[in-house]
Amino acid sequence: GESVGLHLPTLSVQEGDNSIINCAYSNSASDYFIWYKQESGKGPQFIIDIRSNMDKRQGQRVTVLLNKTVKHLSLQIAATQPGDSAVYFCAENAGGTSYGKLTFGQGTILTVHP
Amino acid sequence: DTAVSQTPKYLVTQMGNDKSIKCEQNLGHDTMYWYKQDSKKFLKIMFSYNNKELIINETVPNRFSPKSPDKAHLNLHINSLELGDSAVYFCASSQGTPSNQPQHFGDGTRLSIL
Repeated sequence: GESVGLHLPTLSVQEGDNSIINCAYSNSASDYFIWYKQESGKGPQFIIDIRSNMDKRQGQRVTVLLNKTVKHLSLQIAATQPGDSAVYFCAENAGGTSYGKLTFGQGTILTVHP
Repeated sequence: DTAVSQTPKYLVTQMGNDKSIKCEQNLGHDTMYWYKQDSKKFLKIMFSYNNKELIINETVPNRFSPKSPDKAHLNLHINSLELGDSAVYFCASSQGTPSNQPQHFGDGTRLSIL
């Protein structure tokens, strides 16, 4: 498949399990964070975002946690389904005059087994 | 009802040629972006335009020239293509210059240089 040869972090789970994907960001001035899902042959798809004045935000089956002290972001997916299999990216924006310049993490490959 | 559309989806050409990629968004956004994704899935911003004005210009060779005829379109022209230009190029858009708005991506143009 497309992931052959890639050396991204990987996470394999069984259908129905909860998944946690982690991301360390680098810029302490970043004030906005986004999680994207990228399926094979597609563009990154927005999942959920969080601003730096929050430490948790929930969506449908997804939760994002932000720990500014250790510059860590996580994405939790509840009751993971085979359709959740994809590469997941975190992205940060430094705010101010960065004008929407997103800096992406390296990505994590999530594989969900039926 | 595609939100961000790019053409062509695939582009195969020889070294030294000049080629263009087109992008259109129907979301009513006023900021558009070009990203490059390499073979390791690393996504990096190249350019950003807000209301037809260039606001982000990363360290990209002069052979790459974006053009925004109106705020719904951002095209990318590449002169004298090189082997290292082989990648997937993604267009994205968002509303406004504040950094706290999600960017919506097209499905990419896979450029292969022979």
